[in-house]
Amino acid sequence: AQKVTQAQTEISVVEKEDVTLDCVYETRDTTYYLFWYKQPPSGELVFLIRRNSFDEQNEISGRYSWNFQKSTSSFNFTITASQVVDSAVYFCALSEAHSGGSNYKLTFGKGTLLTVNP
Amino acid sequence: DTAVSQTPKYLVTQMGNDKSIKCEQNLGHDTMYWYKQDSKKFLKIMFSYNNKELIINETVPNRFSPKSPDKAHLNLHINSLELGDSAVYFCASSPKLYSSGANVLTFGAGSRLTVL
Repeated sequence: AQKVTQAQTEISVVEKEDVTLDCVYETRDTTYYLFWYKQPPSGELVFLIRRNSFDEQNEISGRYSWNFQKSTSSFNFTITASQVVDSAVYFCALSEAHSGGSNYKLTFGKGTLLTVNP
Repeated sequence: DTAVSQTPKYLVTQMGNDKSIKCEQNLGHDTMYWYKQDSKKFLKIMFSYNNKELIINETVPNRFSPKSPDKAHLNLHINSLELGDSAVYFCASSPKLYSSGANVLTFGAGSRLTVL
């Protein structure tokens, strides 16, 4: 069974601080995908990134960066120079091919509430 | 143009009633989903349809019945509502299997159901 653990329930930082959100996953599949989604106070779920299990290269997109390490089954997310607009719940998720390969199922972590204070 | 739209956005009803939530996507995706987000923000898949065929049914009570009249629509009907059904229900869609981005879900804005 697949599982995603986000041990940090809540994080509070002051604007311009860097912050890292941790994500640890469990899966028996050799092929899988990892995701981060953002849920701002308005409630919608916004896709941030997808990474497949064969690509361990770190990725940077503006102030966002992701560190994928298969050896520790972790896919951490860092926000550099945080801003108030980054305040949201951030979800890490894992996808394996559903049985028969006919579909994909996202298993979400419980989310980390990030509050960036001015 | 909203990519994945759900109606209604808010729904307040009494225990025992039957209600429906509708979802439509205009992205041309083949796969649609219902996820439930509880009061602690935990997101869990309920159902998934691939081109109108039920693919995933995650041990959801029989009171929940999804229906997909075509691949652009996925509705959720709930019978005999219970207090524990109060949650935000998210519809989502994703592209054709094995296509680029096949498992990248686009979510609707959510439908907040409150059962009194």
